[in-house]
Amino acid sequence: NAGVTQTPKFQVLKTGQSMTLQCAQDMNHEYMSWYRQDPGMGLRLIHYSVGAGITDQGEVPNGYNVSRSTTEDFPLRLLSAAPSQTSVYFCASSYSNPGSNQPQHFGDGTRLSIL
Amino acid sequence: AQKVTQAQTEISVVEKEDVTLDCVYETRDTTYYLFWYKQPPSGELVFLIRRNSFDEQNEISGRYSWNFQKSTSSFNFTITASQVVDSAVYFCALRSYSGAGSYQLTFGKGTKLSVIP
Repeated sequence: NAGVTQTPKFQVLKTGQSMTLQCAQDMNHEYMSWYRQDPGMGLRLIHYSVGAGITDQGEVPNGYNVSRSTTEDFPLRLLSAAPSQTSVYFCASSYSNPGSNQPQHFGDGTRLSIL
Repeated sequence: AQKVTQAQTEISVVEKEDVTLDCVYETRDTTYYLFWYKQPPSGELVFLIRRNSFDEQNEISGRYSWNFQKSTSSFNFTITASQVVDSAVYFCALRSYSGAGSYQLTFGKGTKLSVIP
């Protein structure tokens, strides 16, 4: 079982560049979300989606865009990379709203450095 | 506002010692869910346990046990007879309402546990 797959695993960007972090899940989960993990900050929610065509902002959405054209994929786009976006990014999915009776399944993370 | 506090930033124990990781939460919801996740040095996040607000029974799974006390808004995690493989960052999380019928997980900042052989 692939579960939640994130690509790339590592990426270095220059300030001002744009890129897309890919996330795909093969569990037919409706719910997907993106977190960033920074030292001493825990995981903070960037954007989430409750189903194809539906997205919403989390705690730290600025500088990021998402779309959900299919159930399987939930890409995260950095529009103009800034050093403050250097972080480890995790994608997660679950059957319905996270919590209730279902845990979230996490990808392995993407380590992003902005120079 | 929802909040999860893990006051212990880092803990070091010698192998075979017991260790308790603290988690204190704040929520206005009467129904909520609490989670613990483990993040080993390899970086992935591993789900350990979930607990709903109506079930205050403590749970034991092998060397792991969890103590949920609504009266003190705490959901503490104890590892008995710690092993080097327990070295990881442990996150406590709370399901929180984010509007429009949708809920999110709010994470604590994590506790880094180092088990010394």
